[in-house]
Amino acid sequence: DAKTTQPPSMDCAEGRAANLPCNHSTISGNEYVYWYRQIHSQGPQYIIHGLKNNETNEMASLIITEDRKSSTLILPHATLRDTAVYYCIAHVMNTGFQKLVFGTGTRLLVSP
Amino acid sequence: DVKVTQSSRYLVKRTGEKVFLECVQDMDHENMFWYRQDPGLGLRLIYFSYDVKMKEKGDIPEGYSVSREKKERFSLILESASTNQTSMYLCASSESGERTEAFFGQGTRLTVV
Repeated sequence: DAKTTQPPSMDCAEGRAANLPCNHSTISGNEYVYWYRQIHSQGPQYIIHGLKNNETNEMASLIITEDRKSSTLILPHATLRDTAVYYCIAHVMNTGFQKLVFGTGTRLLVSP
Repeated sequence: DVKVTQSSRYLVKRTGEKVFLECVQDMDHENMFWYRQDPGLGLRLIYFSYDVKMKEKGDIPEGYSVSREKKERFSLILESASTNQTSMYLCASSESGERTEAFFGQGTRLTVV
């Protein structure tokens, strides 16, 4: 499994873009980058994933560098409800089963 | 929508008791997982299963066992609960294959006294 490295915490003002970085310098060619978040007292929630192209959905955008060694999750207009721990995961694909490896994530605090 | 349901939100048990944590998913997913989450340690994988009656140890299986008799149900068993097993326990499920996502339950906060 490729190790991912994230800053332990970040702050963002409400309404501004939140840019959460993730380093995965040893990622292999068949590993996707997944992002989840965990709001306090809830189970983690899937946000987005990508292989090498940038991805966007209704929740966020994912920018992956050309060498795939790092990525950035972008919440374009952060709200107070986006306060959560954000996990970046390199997803290993093996025939027959999957294993998700979570680190300690980035604690994002969105303030008024 | 996929739903992963854990049987209890909060649970208090005594040291030495046998504890069962139940998880049910309704989307016919092949893979199911049990994690525990402790402050400062993030999510740690206890066991996972990729098929009925199949199980694999995760990073911290000691003191736990699991059972998967039916595809939709994955049980975590604490054979003899200890105070260091006080934690938040999270169940998840996912499809097999490549571009998939995992769905988590709401968690069970277990306190062993």
